[in-house]
Amino acid sequence: GALVYQYPRRTICKSGTSMRMECQAVGFQATSVAWYRQSPQKTFELIALSTVNSAIKYEQNFTQEKFPISHPNLSFSSMTVLNAYLEDRGLYLCGASSAGGAETLYFGSGTRLTVL
Amino acid sequence: AQKVTQTQTSISVVEKTTVTMDCVYETRDSSYFLFWYKQTASGEIVFLIRQDSYKKENATVGHYSLNFQKPKSSIGLIITATQIEDSAVYFCAMREDPNYGNEKITFGAGTKLTIKP
Repeated sequence: GALVYQYPRRTICKSGTSMRMECQAVGFQATSVAWYRQSPQKTFELIALSTVNSAIKYEQNFTQEKFPISHPNLSFSSMTVLNAYLEDRGLYLCGASSAGGAETLYFGSGTRLTVL
Repeated sequence: AQKVTQTQTSISVVEKTTVTMDCVYETRDSSYFLFWYKQTASGEIVFLIRQDSYKKENATVGHYSLNFQKPKSSIGLIITATQIEDSAVYFCAMREDPNYGNEKITFGAGTKLTIKP
């Protein structure tokens, strides 16, 4: 079956430092990877959508300078939160799907970021 | 722009009964895809079931089924024979047809389901 592994599960960083999270797809080709942030109120914010061999599309209020994403192949993607501050806290989720927009998005377990 | 609305903030039912969770959506596309996910206490998001807009038959997977009412832009999730472990937050989501240039998946606010013994 389709599985997505995301790590680390939890991370704590000091204000102003950066942290990187990674996402690994197993059992299918992750042509598209979407990175979301879930607020404490449970709402999902799409940060960016990455498709292999295409430009990464960032949503309004999110930039490559703050959340650089790498999607080098069909099984791996990473995102870094640069210069993290309190407002960056939350659960970061990567969702991956195979080719074709009709495909289901499968999620990893998320990375919970705490900023001190 | 697409929008997904789940009006039920929380639901509590007794184990082994049937529960229905509501979801309505807005889209300008004639072709789209609807999904239900659940989020466990650990934060993990699990895909449950999907409905493609062009399919008239309601999707069914295990003890999950959908009540797809296209004219009402409604996609309810029905869980039969509920179990304690079904307690979670359930999210409805929609993806418009990417052939029209939008691959974004939009999520509802979630419904917290509690199954009591």
